[in-house]
Amino acid sequence: GNSVTQMEGPVTLSEEAFLTINCTYTATGYPSLFWYVQYPGEGLQLLLKATKADDKGSNKGFEATYRKETTSFHLEKGSVQVSDSAVYFCALSDYTNAGKSTFGDGTTLTVKP
Amino acid sequence: EAQVTQNPRYLITVTGKKLTVTCSQNMNHEYMSWYRQDPGLGLRQIYYSMNVEATDKGDVPEGYKVSRKEKRNFPLILESPSPNQTSLYFCASSLRQGGRADTQYFGPGTRLTVL
Repeated sequence: GNSVTQMEGPVTLSEEAFLTINCTYTATGYPSLFWYVQYPGEGLQLLLKATKADDKGSNKGFEATYRKETTSFHLEKGSVQVSDSAVYFCALSDYTNAGKSTFGDGTTLTVKP
Repeated sequence: EAQVTQNPRYLITVTGKKLTVTCSQNMNHEYMSWYRQDPGLGLRQIYYSMNVEATDKGDVPEGYKVSRKEKRNFPLILESPSPNQTSLYFCASSLRQGGRADTQYFGPGTRLTVL
């Protein structure tokens, strides 16, 4: 079956530091890849996505590139802010099992002033 | 406003007492899904539905039932809740894109405690 592995957290950074959260996947088909963010007390919301190899998703200064050769989709941001403190989930969906979605365990990011 | 709504937001119940958590979306999405979120375990899919009258099991379906009689609604039913079903539950919906679930829109969550 499909799986998503995220780097273990929690991650604590100072404001303006560089962020990388690693995500690797296994899938039987050609998945779409997503990063979702969950702020305290809220549901998940889409941060960015990529639907095919070499696509780069970007939003709010975050970026991730779909790397088929390394089956990875690492999340990066050049300069984090306190407001980026949240839980980040890597996820995939594919049409081998069209309705199934697989999420990573989530990485908690805390940014300190 | 495009949204996914869930009710109730908080529920404390006792073992064995049947309950239903409702989920509704106003975006005309074909795809709907239920997840549970537990510390250290991330988000795990319980059931999903690709369209009306089409439901299928996710990774952790035991102890749960769902139905999809209308496109907008996807209730989660716990016939005989047990303490190990204490969790935070999320409903989500999306369009289908290229045969796969596209961006999912999540409800605000239902925190369930089973005593």
